Amino acid sequence: AQSVSQHNHHVILSEAASLELGCNYSYGGTVNLFWYVQYPGQHLQLLLKYFSGDPLVKGIKGFEAEFIKSKFSFNLRKPSVQWSDTAEYFCAVNGWRGSTLGRLYFGRGTQLTVWP
Amino acid sequence: EAQVTQNPRYLITVTGKKLTVTCSQNMNHEYMSWYRQDPGLGLRQIYYSMNVEVTDKGDVPEGYKVSRKEKRNFPLILESPSPNQTSLYFCASSFNQKGPGQPQHFGDGTRLSIL
Repeated sequence: AQSVSQHNHHVILSEAASLELGCNYSYGGTVNLFWYVQYPGQHLQLLLKYFSGDPLVKGIKGFEAEFIKSKFSFNLRKPSVQWSDTAEYFCAVNGWRGSTLGRLYFGRGTQLTVWP
Repeated sequence: EAQVTQNPRYLITVTGKKLTVTCSQNMNHEYMSWYRQDPGLGLRQIYYSMNVEVTDKGDVPEGYKVSRKEKRNFPLILESPSPNQTSLYFCASSFNQKGPGQPQHFGDGTRLSIL
């Protein structure tokens, strides 16, 4: 089975601080990479995705992520967080060929708390 | 409005009493999937369906059944629920999973408590 690692379980920041959440995955083939956000009591929403092209992808709400193939990483960044960014963030990976077709693998999530 | 609808949103029940969680999408998506979310474990895939009458196991299929008789519906069935199936369940759908960059759209979740 493929695995997705999110290194930080809980991150606490003050407003305007910069954010970087780490994500590493184990699958060596062609992948789609996603970051989802889950606000308290809500369903998952897509922040951004990568499947090809420019390894630096921009998403909603000022988030961006960089795909580094050699490091199997897809870290999420935001230059200046806001109180409203308090949520749980999930990295997810799927392969759309071969044995991983149809499968989506999630990391365990990172809870971000932003203090005003 | 494009959406994935799950019912019920909350359910408390007892061990052994069969239950079904319904999932319906109005986007004509081929692909649908079920996940459970547990604290510290993230989301784990239970079953998925690439299209009508095509279903397959995810990482944690034990104790669950699914069916895909129509494109829009993908119910999750717990024939004999047990307390270890107490969890938050999400249904998701996407256009298909045959090509790159297909994000999944998630329902609002169903919180199940099995006593």
